[in-house]
Amino acid sequence: AQKITQTQPGMFVQEKEAVTLDCTYDTSDQSYGLFWYKQPSSGEMIFLIYQGSYDEQNATEGRYSLNFQKARKSANLVISASQLGDSAMYFCAMREGTGFQKLVFGTGTRLLVSP
Amino acid sequence: DAGVIQSPRHEVTEMGQEVTLRCKPISGHDYLFWYRQTMMRGLELLIYFNNNVPIDDSGMPEDRFSAKMPNASFSTLKIQPSEPRDSAVYFCASRQGELNTEAFFGQGTRLTVV
Repeated sequence: AQKITQTQPGMFVQEKEAVTLDCTYDTSDQSYGLFWYKQPSSGEMIFLIYQGSYDEQNATEGRYSLNFQKARKSANLVISASQLGDSAMYFCAMREGTGFQKLVFGTGTRLLVSP
Repeated sequence: DAGVIQSPRHEVTEMGQEVTLRCKPISGHDYLFWYRQTMMRGLELLIYFNNNVPIDDSGMPEDRFSAKMPNASFSTLKIQPSEPRDSAVYFCASRQGELNTEAFFGQGTRLTVV
């Protein structure tokens, strides 16, 4: 079974608009962490935002926010005021358990921001 | 800090040859990870180290793959002999501590085996 599911292979958004990238996860652990990474065409993996399973507030980092719905096991990334430079692949990832160090990644969503 | 440094950035080799990928983690980070990215399988964890000790190598695809971390500032991933299906981007990442901190990735090595 997929641990991380990203159902949107591609998304399009106009510059300055907001966009939501979907991520659902599957775990039976109570303690886990959820991450979003950005991979531009240059190939590097850039950390964007983190949400802990016990965090009561949704995480925010600048224009990025994480819409965390624990009961639904979803951790959607919201990018506000999209910029052309936001065009990239976006990966959702999860780390389970306090001693479990592996990051398991979803298949990614390709975001294209148009002028 | 310069971040996680990987070398080479690109490697083209012939099938059957030995390939060695190198990684210098961020100073002070005690976890080091090797990932492989392909179109078919996405990002897969191959192996990770804690304080230079391999903890989980269950993602290493075959005995042809081996990884070492002789000290806190250097790790290698070796493929011997290489095969065309090993063509992928190999990422090294490091992080610090037990808490849910993020892993920092290197820029990757694009390996092509012909």
